[in-house]
Amino acid sequence: EVQLVESGGGLIQPGGSLTLSCAASGFTFSANAMSWVRQAPGKGLEWVSTITDSGFRAYYADSVKGRFTISRDNSKNTLYLQMNSLRAEDTALYYCARVCYYGSGPKYYFDYWGQGTLVPVSS
Amino acid sequence: EIVLTQSPATLSLSPGERATLSCRASQSVINYLAWYQQKPGQAPRLLIYDASSRATGIPARFSGSGSGTDFTLTISSLEPEDFALYYCQQRMNWPITFGPGTKVDI
Repeated sequence: EVQLVESGGGLIQPGGSLTLSCAASGFTFSANAMSWVRQAPGKGLEWVSTITDSGFRAYYADSVKGRFTISRDNSKNTLYLQMNSLRAEDTALYYCARVCYYGSGPKYYFDYWGQGTLVPVSS
Repeated sequence: EIVLTQSPATLSLSPGERATLSCRASQSVINYLAWYQQKPGQAPRLLIYDASSRATGIPARFSGSGSGTDFTLTISSLEPEDFALYYCQQRMNWPITFGPGTKVDI
């Protein structure tokens, strides 16, 4: 059974830093691209970042580029999101999501999601 | 950035009725479009990918159609568990974008 379990969220002051983790199990982690998607309270879904299976390439939303860094440790089956210079508008539930592979190659849709970790940014 | 617009914002229907949800892209996404369902307090669930392919385990009452800029998610006969929020998402270009959602309620 595929499981994605996020951790590391919590109240943080504006300008602060936080690192989120996502522990993956039930599939070959190193064979899948992975992503972070966030959802502000009562709002819609916003894609944040994606990293390829090898970790060689990463993509970011403009809203977080230069402040957030996605990474992965395939030996630990863990995905990370380092968040710096946090702003009030970064307040959201952060989901870890697996990129799906129907057919050959990654299709950048998300077939498994964790339950999310909440990051409130407030003084 | 490709902007996705969903309509209507809210769809009020009854169990057994047919639901038709629309997603329009600001430029062609070919067929690189997915649909998700989200219930309160839950993570999204992938329903449809590449505009018309059902994801694993998704019931046949869910179907997707469209290409280019106009897409439709159809639920042929609403079950009580189908009352939820539905989002479309494109993967044509980075950044990946989601639509604002359509709420299907009773």
